[in-house]
Amino acid sequence: EILLTQSPGTLSVSPGERATLSCRASQSVTSNYLAWYQQKPGQAPRLLIHDASSRATGVPDRFSGSGSGTDFTLTISGLEPEDFAVYYCQQYGSSPQTFGQGTKVEI
Amino acid sequence: EVQLVQSEAEVKKPGESLRISCKGSGYRFTSFWISWVRQMPGKGLEWMGKIDPVDSYTNYSPSFQGHVTISADKSISTAYLQWSSLKASDTATYYCARHWTGTSPLDDWGQGTLVSVSS
Repeated sequence: EILLTQSPGTLSVSPGERATLSCRASQSVTSNYLAWYQQKPGQAPRLLIHDASSRATGVPDRFSGSGSGTDFTLTISGLEPEDFAVYYCQQYGSSPQTFGQGTKVEI
Repeated sequence: EVQLVQSEAEVKKPGESLRISCKGSGYRFTSFWISWVRQMPGKGLEWMGKIDPVDSYTNYSPSFQGHVTISADKSISTAYLQWSSLKASDTATYYCARHWTGTSPLDDWGQGTLVSVSS
């Protein structure tokens, strides 16, 4: 099973700033099948990024993903008030699929 | 519009059985897999398992294998997650989500079903 470790656990930023979130895998992620999800309180998660760097439909271009192998990054450029949430990475290339423990982005 | 509509919240006692549902609409149900994801109170996301509605092939996380059963009825575009004997530790919100293939991201999610298990 691939273990995903996200850092930091909590990120305190101000609106308009850039946020950089990290996801490190315990072994190489097959075909860079790595996704990022956003979850707000009381809501279901929402897919933001798939295949490490492809934005999902309707996702603003201030969200970008990068990385390969074992190290991946989600960058949010110019944080908007609605971006304050918890973000999870997930690998779906190997079974079982696994999630990171999440990074909370707060003001 | 693609929708995954889950059944309502449940309150159960330890040892009771339960089946929750996830009904897909707005797309061809048999063209997408369905996964189930657990979120315990205040905690992160855990992938439980998935099903291909075409033939009901299932794949479970080792952490959940033998504790839950995933099934689907393609005639009514509905997937299920069931327990034969609930425990207090099953208290959580359960989400269903669809994905294009067995190895693709979870691109649309249900609203979640809260299951509370307490004596």
